[in-house]
Amino acid sequence: KQEVTQIPAALSVPEGENLVLNCSFTDSAIYNLQWFRQDPGKGLTSLLLIQSSQREQTSGRLNASLDKSSGRSTLYIAASQPGDSATYLCAPPEGGSEKLVFGKGTKLTVNP
Amino acid sequence: DTGVSQDPRHKITKRGQNVTFRCDPISEHNRLYWYRQTLGQGPEFLTYFQNEAQLEKSRLLSDRFSAERPKGSFSTLEIQRTEQGDSAMYLCASSLFGADTEAFFGQGTRLTVV
Repeated sequence: KQEVTQIPAALSVPEGENLVLNCSFTDSAIYNLQWFRQDPGKGLTSLLLIQSSQREQTSGRLNASLDKSSGRSTLYIAASQPGDSATYLCAPPEGGSEKLVFGKGTKLTVNP
Repeated sequence: DTGVSQDPRHKITKRGQNVTFRCDPISEHNRLYWYRQTLGQGPEFLTYFQNEAQLEKSRLLSDRFSAERPKGSFSTLEIQRTEQGDSAMYLCASSLFGADTEAFFGQGTRLTVV
């Protein structure tokens, strides 16, 4: 059964800092992994989909890496802005399926 | 296409009442998923459809819950005899069938059972 852990649970940084969010998962038999952003009371916004054949995927100031063998993914946010404040969720699928398994997320606060 | 649409956005109901939520996926997506999210937790899988076929249901989905996708387009999730423990955000997502496809979520329906 896939289990997902995200560290840290919460993070507060000043504007402009580069930061790394960590995700670990127990079942490495995955095709891909998605990172999402969730604003309070809202749905999930897809940030990045990283395929198992890729080691990194970039979108703007975001860069995600995936190491299947160690069961880890990281989300790197460059030059953070107050608008980046949200909860970030990582979601690998349950092994052998497409249903996503979520961690509790990392709540990021970027202070102006 | 404006993405995945859910209706209503908020629902307050009395315990014991039935409620129904609707999800309209991205039009060309043949897979549709329902998840439930409680405060401070990540979303948990409930069920999913490929076209009109319901392929999997979580053990979280008690017999008071039923989901349909009658024509392989929109889906409904009904909760009968609601309980306070059903209070949560209900999220719908859609994707194209395949191993390397991205899932897109709607804005969710926030259910409060009083």
